[in-house]
Amino acid sequence: GAGVSQSPRYKVTKRGQDVALRCDPISGHVSLYWYRQALGQGPEFLTYFNYEAQQDKSGLPNDRFSAERPEGSISTLTIQRTEQRDSAMYRCASSLAGGNTGELFFGEGSRLTVL
Amino acid sequence: KNQVEQSPQSLIILEGKNCTLQCNYTVSPFSNLRWYKQDTGRGPVSLTIMTFSENTKSNGRYTATLDADTKQSSLHITASQLSDSASYICVVSAVEYGNKLVFGAGTILRVKS
Repeated sequence: GAGVSQSPRYKVTKRGQDVALRCDPISGHVSLYWYRQALGQGPEFLTYFNYEAQQDKSGLPNDRFSAERPEGSISTLTIQRTEQRDSAMYRCASSLAGGNTGELFFGEGSRLTVL
Repeated sequence: KNQVEQSPQSLIILEGKNCTLQCNYTVSPFSNLRWYKQDTGRGPVSLTIMTFSENTKSNGRYTATLDADTKQSSLHITASQLSDSASYICVVSAVEYGNKLVFGAGTILRVKS
């Protein structure tokens, strides 16, 4: 696609439910990043991939969060047993170059609300 | 404590005026420092990327400076326009953490007519 596409754009769920957020990066981009952003704050790094390999998952808050990119393209961020504190905007970004040297292109984000 | 601190937290200026936003960081060593513009409800868009060896980089009316010795960067906006109203985010790439990007909380700029 022309840009980074994320779905769903909005997700409202009840506490305790699992959610899966999808990111479709720009075609050919090697690196894919997941961030989350609380209102009025800068993005907080969660994890990133080069191709299908998860390079750094140190930003994942706890073991309820996981991410995968099995074929080196589309990625899914899964949050199990959601809690109210998980409510945030979850953003995906992709970069043509590997590592963190290339320009990042961000998606429009997935707004998660946990009731 | 955040490794990237930005100031001021918010700023209101009149259209046509200049302004300077500050970014102080403790991330060391770092590979690059970036400034992003984020419009309300949108994803961040890159303005400048500077490596540790660069002192300044311009993008139209936006000029970023970097002092790696004092670990400070600034973003100067010249002749502000209403469309400059946005959040400006400073981001540092931390070598120690595999070049993980560390984001500041941002400065919210509002340009008034």
